[in-house]
Amino acid sequence: GQQVMQIPQYQHVQEGEDFTTYCNSSTTLSNIQWYKQRPGGHPVFLIQLVKSGEVKKQKRLTFQFGEAKKNSSLHITATQTTDVGTYFCAGPGGNQFYFGTGTSLTVIP
Amino acid sequence: NAGVTQTPKFRVLKTGQSMTLLCAQDMNHEYMYWYRQDPGMGLRLIHYSVGEGTTAKGEVPDGYNVSRLKKQNFLLGLESAAPSQTSVYFCASSSRVAGGGYNEQFFGPGTRLTVL
Repeated sequence: GQQVMQIPQYQHVQEGEDFTTYCNSSTTLSNIQWYKQRPGGHPVFLIQLVKSGEVKKQKRLTFQFGEAKKNSSLHITATQTTDVGTYFCAGPGGNQFYFGTGTSLTVIP
Repeated sequence: NAGVTQTPKFRVLKTGQSMTLLCAQDMNHEYMYWYRQDPGMGLRLIHYSVGEGTTAKGEVPDGYNVSRLKKQNFLLGLESAAPSQTSVYFCASSSRVAGGGYNEQFFGPGTRLTVL
């Protein structure tokens, strides 16, 4: 079946350092979505990428969709304590969405 | 708008007991989903619905049943709970995109279920 893998599983950074999480799919995706889940909270939608090679920015967050539409990345510049949480990518398969295993980000003040 | 709500927030069951989790959304969304979240395994889809009266199996449907009798509600049932079903359960909904495609999913606050 379809698989969506994310690395790393955990990342600890000093406040102000950069952070990147990578998402890889076993199949070509029509689009990819990114979500953030704060500790004890529920996933919240961040962004959706649709086009091959697409790059989108949200303040300090940069999202990329690979040329082959099988991988994606989320990069955070100069992390802040408010960035703490788990970041998930999700890709569609039929009417379903397959979520990656997530990357848990800890920011050390 | 309340968005997506889930009841109950917490529940402890004994092995073999049954229960129903309720999800309600007030955004008139066509699609609704039930996920379970376990440490290190991300979110796994249990069942989903693309409209009132329709349901379909997701990745991990065994041991669960669902019903979508009304567009705004999606019920998840456990007929005979097992310790392996200890998890956090999230409901989500999304709207249909004209001509195909996908919109963002809105998640409820979750139900923390422990099966002893």
